[in-house]
Amino acid sequence: AQSVSQHNHHVILSEAASLELGCNYSYGGTVNLFWYVQYPGQHLQLLLKYFSGDPLVKGIKGFEAEFINSKFSFNLRKPSVQWSDTAEYFCAVNAQGGGYNKLIFGAGTRLAVHP
Amino acid sequence: GAVVSQHPSWVICKSGTSVKIECRSLDFQATTMFWYRQFPKQSLMLMATSNEGSKATYEQGVEKDKFLINHASLTLSTLTVTSAHPEDSSFYICRALPGARTKALNNEQFFGPGTRLTVL
Repeated sequence: AQSVSQHNHHVILSEAASLELGCNYSYGGTVNLFWYVQYPGQHLQLLLKYFSGDPLVKGIKGFEAEFINSKFSFNLRKPSVQWSDTAEYFCAVNAQGGGYNKLIFGAGTRLAVHP
Repeated sequence: GAVVSQHPSWVICKSGTSVKIECRSLDFQATTMFWYRQFPKQSLMLMATSNEGSKATYEQGVEKDKFLINHASLTLSTLTVTSAHPEDSSFYICRALPGARTKALNNEQFFGPGTRLTVL
């Protein structure tokens, strides 16, 4: 069965600091990978996704993620965070070829950025 | 872009009553819809997967007689929480998967805004 692990449950940073959120998945086949953000009181928004091709994926709001197949990882990065990045971030995996395209989420990382 | 709506956005009910939550894809046909539950400060847990016109597939540990799912049309799925109890209080989120014909939306996935259920 697929599973997703996010190593950091809470991260606190100052503005302009660099961010890296870890995500590891467990699945032997080909996967699609996603990062979602959930701002306080809002619904999930897609930050970026990886299906195939260049393992370095650029998303919205200056975020990027790197797919490393050998490490089963898909870490999210941002060089310089802003206060407005305060939110919860979810990594998710979707096994390709699955009949119903189930999307499995990690536990989430709550990011707080202080001005 | 494609939009998924949920109704109601929040509901408070008494213990023992049933609550129906609707999920609609507003400008595309969704052959598959998923229902998730999110407890406070926790991740989204997949409850069930439904395909239009067929029975839902429930994840392990989810009571299908308690969480009734109906996907009667390509744009509407409903989740009914029967005989609700306080422990059912949660944030329920649907996700709609566009059908194969909607090629422009291929591989995209669309979440509803969620329904907050509070059972007293």
